[in-house]
Amino acid sequence: GAVVSQHPSRVICKSGTSVKIECRSLDFQATTMFWYRQFPKKSLMLMATSNEGSKATYEQGVEKDKFLINHASLTLSTLTVTSAHPEDSSFYICSASQGGRDTEAFFGQGTRLTVV
Amino acid sequence: GNSVTQMEGPVTLSEEAFLTINCTYTATGYPSLFWYVQYPGEGLQLLLKATKADDKGSNKGFEATYRKETTSFHLEKGSVQVSDSAVYFCALKINQAGTALIFGKGTTLSVSS
Repeated sequence: GAVVSQHPSRVICKSGTSVKIECRSLDFQATTMFWYRQFPKKSLMLMATSNEGSKATYEQGVEKDKFLINHASLTLSTLTVTSAHPEDSSFYICSASQGGRDTEAFFGQGTRLTVV
Repeated sequence: GNSVTQMEGPVTLSEEAFLTINCTYTATGYPSLFWYVQYPGEGLQLLLKATKADDKGSNKGFEATYRKETTSFHLEKGSVQVSDSAVYFCALKINQAGTALIFGKGTTLSVSS
């Protein structure tokens, strides 16, 4: 299958700082990328959907000013957690698809964010 | 709304035991159904999928049948191995361009030798 690379795999940051997570599709063009957050013993919760060249669509309850998503090219989307707080500590996962009706979504390895 | 409910874990089995992980869904429209697996320290991998009623998805000895009448997509394997130890996620996708997968909470499977 296609490869989606997510970086970094782990990051520790201080409260109040910002952290950027990158999601790259390595061998296909991803017109649509999705960002999920995974809580312990809970499901993957969709945070936002981004389409290349347009603003991301955020799910209800997700603060768009806190979780900045940029999808500037067909192979790269970034999630920036701004002014991070300990409650933002979580596992963040991206997925990418070519955007068609029945196309498969491929997942990155995930990023473990710890805010201290 | 659209949602997926799967059995709570963890599921602990001995090698060669039979595995069933239940999954039911609620959806507006006609979804595609998936099982993903997450091995320790890795990302999600597609295990199998089914796109219409009565379809059976299968891979690596795992199988699941899309049952519209019971809105279910239960995962089964006849003889599990230690290497099957992982977290399994049931998911659905509404068949429209650009829609995201909706996941269940995940079920942890632990297989001992």
